[in-house]
Amino acid sequence: DTEVTQTPKHLVMGMTNKKSLKCEQHMGHRAMYWYKQKAKKPPELMFVYSYEKLSINESVPSRFSPECPNSSLLNLHLHALQPEDSALYLCASSQGTGGTEAFFGQGTRLTVV
Amino acid sequence: AQKITQTQPGMFVQEKEAVTLDCTYDTSDQSYGLFWYKQPSSGEMIFLIYQGSYDEQNATEGRYSLNFQKARKSANLVISASQLGDSAMYFCAMRGRKAAGNKLTFGGGTRVLVKP
Repeated sequence: DTEVTQTPKHLVMGMTNKKSLKCEQHMGHRAMYWYKQKAKKPPELMFVYSYEKLSINESVPSRFSPECPNSSLLNLHLHALQPEDSALYLCASSQGTGGTEAFFGQGTRLTVV
Repeated sequence: AQKITQTQPGMFVQEKEAVTLDCTYDTSDQSYGLFWYKQPSSGEMIFLIYQGSYDEQNATEGRYSLNFQKARKSANLVISASQLGDSAMYFCAMRGRKAAGNKLTFGGGTRVLVKP
């Protein structure tokens, strides 16, 4: 089962709202990732968790706060977002952070109004 | 730093014909992995095929094959017998081990439209 599940699929939030994106995998993968993808652009890496510890933060603004409660779950907490943060947010997991392939979820389409 | 370049922003292909999507890369890592992903309009990134830098044989997965030319730093994807369902965005990606901090870096993508 090569499935990464993301919820919700769509989210509309105001600039003063607090919301969370969730990601779950049951493949026993020890690396999990958040990517942001704007329309007609490639995904851009935001965060990498390896063995439940944050290993890479690509200078993401603090209004995005990742959390890895356990090896199967990855959250992205959102607070005080701007309209330019509207994008497709993709979660991925891989066996390790080495050369193994990453499997992606279907993404959450976020609109900030 | 590592960089992936896809020079074809979009292309048409006739159904049942083969299509080659270009990908060149640059990295200072000796060990790296090359990947191709398909992204339909629904948004999901679907893993297609993987090639390791030390693999001597070109990778194949069903109708997908990767034409790996290490000296030229190219990793082109060949889709044989195109189907209407192959219409999508295709991304080439690379993961280095050391220099790039194990990050998966994507090229700009190629949009493929299969015509009946």
